Amino acid sequence: EAGVTQFPSHSVIEKGQTVTLRCDPISGHDNLYWYRRVMGKEIKFLLHFVKESKQDESGMPNNRFLAERTGGTYSTLKVQPAELEDSGVYFCASSQDPGTVITQYFGPGTRLTVL
Amino acid sequence: AQSVTQLGSHVSVSEGALVLLRCNYSSSVPPYLFWYVQYPNQGLQLLLKYTTGATLVKGINGFEAEFKKSETSFHLTKPSAHMSDAAEYFCAVTRYGQNFVFGPGTRLSVLP
Repeated sequence: EAGVTQFPSHSVIEKGQTVTLRCDPISGHDNLYWYRRVMGKEIKFLLHFVKESKQDESGMPNNRFLAERTGGTYSTLKVQPAELEDSGVYFCASSQDPGTVITQYFGPGTRLTVL
Repeated sequence: AQSVTQLGSHVSVSEGALVLLRCNYSSSVPPYLFWYVQYPNQGLQLLLKYTTGATLVKGINGFEAEFKKSETSFHLTKPSAHMSDAAEYFCAVTRYGQNFVFGPGTRLSVLP
């Protein structure tokens, strides 16, 4: 079974440009999450999709970030325009319909560098 | 609100020595606790988790952790470190219907 995949693995852009990150969850996982780790700090939650609906987007830092999950499969996270403080590693995770406990399976991350 | 602290951003041990990585949490209700590991250039991999039941949890690669409610701790241990254990380790807490809250991570170095 394929794991969570993310593309690209690295992205270097200039301040003011736009970047789109993609996440493909494990097949059959309705829950998809985005996290971010900035400058070696904690991994912080950004948002949670259940199928194509945003269940919780309380962690999104500002309106420069737009996440979509059309069709309930893969998801994209767009940063427009990018700022220096957006640099970090963006992780995606997915999980099955939870039952009582959610175990999230993480992708390798996309390392974003904004110059 | 839940929070997680990990004592020591960087821990060094000698190969064959005991590994002890500390995790303390704060939660108003009993949490679910996880340890994830990130090897260089890889994603986060689940090591082990505690949900209910036995408080000593065994994970992959010889790691285990013990949930101690009275100490609000979930420390990760391994009796004998191997060079391949060098990685960054993250403790995380959640409850059903809530999102993961991660600790800041502990980078483990294993010295020959």
